[in-house]
Amino acid sequence: NAGVIQTPRHKVTGKGQEATLWCEPISGHSAVFWYRQTIVQGLEFLTYFRNQAPIDDSGMPKERFSAQMPNQSHSTLKIQSTQPQDSAVYLCASSRDSGNTLYFGEGSRLIVV
Amino acid sequence: GDSVTQTEGLVTLTKGLPVMLNCTYQTTYSPFLFWYVQHLNEAPKLLLKSSTDNKRTEHQGFYATLHKSSSSFHLQKSSVQLSDSALYFCALRDTGGLSGKLTFGEGTQVTVIS
Repeated sequence: NAGVIQTPRHKVTGKGQEATLWCEPISGHSAVFWYRQTIVQGLEFLTYFRNQAPIDDSGMPKERFSAQMPNQSHSTLKIQSTQPQDSAVYLCASSRDSGNTLYFGEGSRLIVV
Repeated sequence: GDSVTQTEGLVTLTKGLPVMLNCTYQTTYSPFLFWYVQHLNEAPKLLLKSSTDNKRTEHQGFYATLHKSSSSFHLQKSSVQLSDSALYFCALRDTGGLSGKLTFGEGTQVTVIS
């Protein structure tokens, strides 16, 4: 079991550029979550997919952020026109179903300069 | 909405001493709590999860008891080790919504010194 895989592990992008982060959930897990981690805000929920369908995006900033899950083996989080305040570690997690234990990836550290 | 409060931001203690990390929560639904631990540059990992009211759960020397009367799920260990240095998060599952998403507390950074 390889666990949740996130790529890239580190990304530095210039202000105004686009950043795309990838997540491969654990095989057989139907629920995928995205969280953002910063020192100031801690772990913040962004969005949730179940069986690839978007279920809850209540934590997503309304502008510039979007997430997709085109197939059961990967999800993407895209940030358009990145800003310095988007700098954070973006964590993906999966679980067997929505009521089960979340398994986190190691995260993608985004730095916007 | 749901919320979780961890009162200690930083805890430093000597190896072999006991530790208690506070966690209180607010929810209008049935509470289901977790403790996650995150070592430096690693993924958060589940440490333990709540059981029924007033029942203690244990894992890897850590233990916690859900107390609905006080809306608490404090984490304890009787004798900390150097390897326990990490960031600890208390989390509450959304049992009233569709996702079962977790709401996390602010986290407690634990540093164990020799």
